[in-house]
Amino acid sequence: EAGVAQSPRYKIIEKRQSVAFWCNPISGHATLYWYQQILGQGPKLLIQFQNNGVVDDSQLPKDRFSAERLKGVDSTLKIQPAKLEDSAVYLCASSSSANMNTEAFFGQGTRLTVV
Amino acid sequence: GNSVTQMEGPVTLSEEAFLTINCTYTATGYPSLFWYVQYPGEGLQLLLKATKADDKGSNKGFEATYRKETTSFHLEKGSVQVSDSAVYFCALIVDKVIFGPGTSLSVIP
Repeated sequence: EAGVAQSPRYKIIEKRQSVAFWCNPISGHATLYWYQQILGQGPKLLIQFQNNGVVDDSQLPKDRFSAERLKGVDSTLKIQPAKLEDSAVYLCASSSSANMNTEAFFGQGTRLTVV
Repeated sequence: GNSVTQMEGPVTLSEEAFLTINCTYTATGYPSLFWYVQYPGEGLQLLLKATKADDKGSNKGFEATYRKETTSFHLEKGSVQVSDSAVYFCALIVDKVIFGPGTSLSVIP
């Protein structure tokens, strides 16, 4: 079974530029998550989708971050404009159920460096 | 608010040593508790979980018991191997998942 795919693996941009990350979840998984993991910290949930609808985006900085999941499959996370403090690993995860006790499968992440 | 505290790393152990990684939590309601592991260069993987008080989760020789009275979910393994070197994250779920900061473990031969 293919896992969660993310691209790119690494990205370096200058502050005030924009960047986009892509995630392809495990086939058939209705629930998709985006997390931000700053160095030395645990992952923090940014947004949760159930199919193509947003379930929770309470921790997404909506003035600069946006995410979409068209057709309920792939998802993109965008940052515009980027700030230095956005440097982190961005993790995508998917789950077969919105029940949060159901195991979530994580991708390898995209490491973003803002200079 | 809800939070997870883990013992600070890095932790360095010799092969076959006993491992304990402490995890305590603060939560409103009745959380489910998880341990995730991140091996070098790989994504996070669920290691074990417990969904109610006194439950014991176990996997790959690791164990953790949900202790409601001490609000703890300590991770233990009787004999670690070099292949257990990774970062371990304790997490809780109430209305959303909250991860601890992670504890890095290095096992040396």
